[in-house]
Amino acid sequence: DAKTTQPPSMDCAEGRAANLPCNHSTISGNEYVYWYRQIHSQGPQYIIHGLKNNETNEMASLIITEDRKSSTLILPHATLRDTAVYYCIVEQAAGNKLTFGGGTRVLVKP
Amino acid sequence: GAGVSQSPSNKVTEKGKDVELRCDPISGHTALYWYRQSLGQGLEFLIYFQGNSAPDKSGLPSDRFSAERTGGSVSTLTIQRTQQEDSAVYLCASSPDRAQETQYFGPGTRLLVL
Repeated sequence: DAKTTQPPSMDCAEGRAANLPCNHSTISGNEYVYWYRQIHSQGPQYIIHGLKNNETNEMASLIITEDRKSSTLILPHATLRDTAVYYCIVEQAAGNKLTFGGGTRVLVKP
Repeated sequence: GAGVSQSPSNKVTEKGKDVELRCDPISGHTALYWYRQSLGQGLEFLIYFQGNSAPDKSGLPSDRFSAERTGGSVSTLTIQRTQQEDSAVYLCASSPDRAQETQYFGPGTRLLVL
C-alpha cells in the first residue's frame, strides 16, 4: 500500500541540478514529506522534510505543490558522491515509523 | 559527535542458531528504531522504543524476533532459531524525543543465515 510513487532511476551530470519527483496524491493534512537517501552499503541518511512550505537546507531544496499531491527534491549541484537511492516518504510526525518504498536510484555521471 | 553504532557489522550463522544484534544510539536520544532491509528492497519497520513507554512491536515478523532496550540506551535485537529468510541488513536508528525529529541511522548489521 505505497503512499508515494517515484521513478525507479535517473541519471544526472556532475555539477548540474538533479530534480527528483515524487507523487503522493493521497497525503493527508497531518502528514509530512520526508526525503532520505542511502549510499551503497551505508545506512539511510536524512536529507530534508516539509509539510506544505518549500524548504531549503545545506543539502537540498524541497518544493511541495500547493495541493501537496507531489513534491520535488532538488540537489542544486550534484557531485559523484550524491550517487545513491533517494527515498520519498510520507508520514505523520508522531512515531515516525519510516516505510521506504523502492526509491529512485540516482547515478551522477562525470 | 558519535553517531549510531551497531555491532557486529557482519554476522554469518547457521540455520537454527540464535543471534544478537546490538545498537548504541546517539547519546541523549530517547527514541530508537529497528528496521530490516532485504537485498535490493526498501526498509521494513520492526520495533520502536520511546523513553520508558512500552515498545511498539507491531513490525516484528514472528515471535522468533524480540528486542530490548536497557537503561534507555543500548538496544539488543535477538533472533531465535534463525531461518534463511532472516538474511538481511538490520538497521538501527535513533532520534531525539520530539515530534518531527529526523532519524539517524547506524551502518547496519549484515546477517547471513546459511
